[in-house]
Amino acid sequence: GEDVEQSLFLSVREGDSSVINCTYTDSSSTYLYWYKQEPGAGLQLLTYIFSNMDMKQDQRLTVLLNKKDKHLSLRIADTQTGDSAIYFCAESMGTDKLIFGTGTRLQVFP
Amino acid sequence: DAGITQSPRYKITETGRQVTLMCHQTWSHSYMFWYRQDLGHGLRLIYYSAAADITDKGEVPDGYVVSRSKTENFPLTLESATRSQTSVYFCATREGPTGELFFGEGSRLTVL
Repeated sequence: GEDVEQSLFLSVREGDSSVINCTYTDSSSTYLYWYKQEPGAGLQLLTYIFSNMDMKQDQRLTVLLNKKDKHLSLRIADTQTGDSAIYFCAESMGTDKLIFGTGTRLQVFP
Repeated sequence: DAGITQSPRYKITETGRQVTLMCHQTWSHSYMFWYRQDLGHGLRLIYYSAAADITDKGEVPDGYVVSRSKTENFPLTLESATRSQTSVYFCATREGPTGELFFGEGSRLTVL
C-alpha cells in the first residue's frame, strides 16, 4: 500500500477527538473505506464513503472526503481507550481490488 | 458459523521450503483475497480471485502461487520460501465487486 499514505502514529488523550488522515491515488475510486485492526486480529470495516459524497457521519465517526486533493480523513469524537488500534484507509481500484494504506496506530492515553 | 478460517495460524519454516497457507470460507462469497501485512507497508495485496478458476495478481505476487478450484477455498503457496516472506498473511472475502471485506484472523509465517 505505498500508494495510499497515512501517518504511522497518533497519540491522543481520552475524551479528545482523533483525526486520522489518508491520501490516495486513484481519482476514479468509487468507494473509500476505513478499517480497524485490534491487536492479534484481522481487520473490520468501520465505515465507508461513496466518492460522490463529501462527508459521512456515523455516531462518533465522521468521514471527510476531498476529491480534489485526494484526501480522506476519519474523525473519532470523544476518543476512548477501546479505540486504540490500527486504522487503515483503503480505496477501491477499478471495480474489484481494494488497496490499503500503511495504517495509523492510534494510542489513547488517560 | 466460522466465516473465514485460516490455517495454520502460526508457521515456522526454513528458506527454500514450500509452504501452503489455507483459507476456507463458509459464505460462498465470490471474491477472495490474500494480503500480507508488514510494519511500515500496511496491507499489500498478493493475489485475488473473482470466482472459482479466476485469479489475478495484486501488488506483490512474486514468489507466490494461488489456485481456486472450489469457491470456498483459496490456498496460497510459497514455492520456495525466502526470509523476505516472513509476514502476517490475511485472507479476505467479499460477496461482490464492491462492499465490505471480511478478514480471517491471519497466519503468522516466519522463514528462518
